[in-house]
Amino acid sequence: QKEVEQDPGPLSVPEGAIVSLNCTYSNSAFQYFMWYRQYSRKGPELLMYTYSSGNKEDGRFTAQVDKSSKYISLFIRDSQPSDSATYLCAMGTTGGGNKLTFGTGTQLKVEL
Amino acid sequence: KAGVTQTPRYLIKTRGQQVTLSCSPISGHRSVSWYQQTPGQGLQFLFEYFSETQRNKGNFPGRFSGRQFSNSRSEMNVSTLELGDSALYLCASSLSSDTQYFGPGTRLTVL
Repeated sequence: QKEVEQDPGPLSVPEGAIVSLNCTYSNSAFQYFMWYRQYSRKGPELLMYTYSSGNKEDGRFTAQVDKSSKYISLFIRDSQPSDSATYLCAMGTTGGGNKLTFGTGTQLKVEL
Repeated sequence: KAGVTQTPRYLIKTRGQQVTLSCSPISGHRSVSWYQQTPGQGLQFLFEYFSETQRNKGNFPGRFSGRQFSNSRSEMNVSTLELGDSALYLCASSLSSDTQYFGPGTRLTVL
């Protein structure tokens, strides 16, 4: 079993829809959580970063962390065709330097 | 502020050869991490360097090695290339133990 599980999709939604992307994890040592967006043939771009359980909002994006359930989500409101990309969740532990464990990524397509 | 740069962007090698990839982090960042991305395995951590010392290492064979220079630039070397080493190699920089910012990657094809 992988430490981080993420539905690979693909996920296709109409423009303007609310998108929900999710990851589950098994390692309770994970203490910080990130979401990256990756366009085809590009490097991952950091979208959201959070340490604590609860919600964090940034524009159209909301990251949600539930440490008790080992479950994180990313919500995208008013989705746009430019949001079409692969979304990667990543997580790490503190005190041991930088080592991120990634989900496999969810491919999202927002259609006109 | 300039982002993370990686060179070369594309590389074609044959089995048995070796390759060196380069990464320049964001100015002021002292941590450089390397990841391998393949369609089957996704993004996997290779190693991290901080102030010229390897601070973390992933589960890759010894053919994969790296180093970091005093100006924080980092190189990654893969010796005795195998077909399975074909991948996008990503470098990420960070101030310390913090958010990581990725470069565009080097796409390596092994024939």
